[in-house]
Amino acid sequence: GQQVMQIPQYQHVQEGEDFTTYCNSSTTLSNIQWYKQRPGGHPVFLIQLVKSGEVKKQKRLTFQFGEAKKNSSLHITATQTTDVGTYFCAGPGGTSYGKLTFGQGTILTVHP
Amino acid sequence: DGGITQSPKYLFRKEGQNVTLSCEQNLNHDAMYWYRQDPGQGLRLIYYSQIVNDFQKGDIAEGYSVSREKKESFPLTVTSAQKNPTAFYLCASSMGTPVKYSNQPQHFGDGTRLSIL
Repeated sequence: GQQVMQIPQYQHVQEGEDFTTYCNSSTTLSNIQWYKQRPGGHPVFLIQLVKSGEVKKQKRLTFQFGEAKKNSSLHITATQTTDVGTYFCAGPGGTSYGKLTFGQGTILTVHP
Repeated sequence: DGGITQSPKYLFRKEGQNVTLSCEQNLNHDAMYWYRQDPGQGLRLIYYSQIVNDFQKGDIAEGYSVSREKKESFPLTVTSAQKNPTAFYLCASSMGTPVKYSNQPQHFGDGTRLSIL
């Protein structure tokens, strides 16, 4: 089945440093979604990207969808302790309607 | 207040026992999903349902069963055939997706942590 690979698996930063996580697929994605899961919590939808080369911003978070629609990234500027958690990307799960395939996630730790 | 309710929050299963995890949503969503999450890993799809009275196997359906008799409810049974059931189980729902390869944002419940006694 379709796979979405996400790197790095772990990232430790000092508060105020930037952070980036990358998502790659071997096939073209019609769309990609990003979720955040706080420790002990459940995933929360952040954003969906649909267009080739699309860039969307949410305050300090910048999301990009590659020109070939095979990769995506999430960049956080000047991390804060509230940014800790696991960030997942998710792409369409093959031909099935509505099905998502999640990446392994990047666990972000922010040291104060 | 709309949302997804999963119960119980914690569940313990004895050897040879079937257990059922509850998932109820009042978001009027057509689609519902069950995921399994193991420590340090992503979400793996167990079963999903796009409409009442219909559901499909996900990537790791063996040892699990579901039903979708009502739009609001999508219970998951972990059967005794599932030899390694200890995990965090997440239920999600989304609006319907009538177009192939399209996706809607998924809304998740708080999850159920299942352990073996």
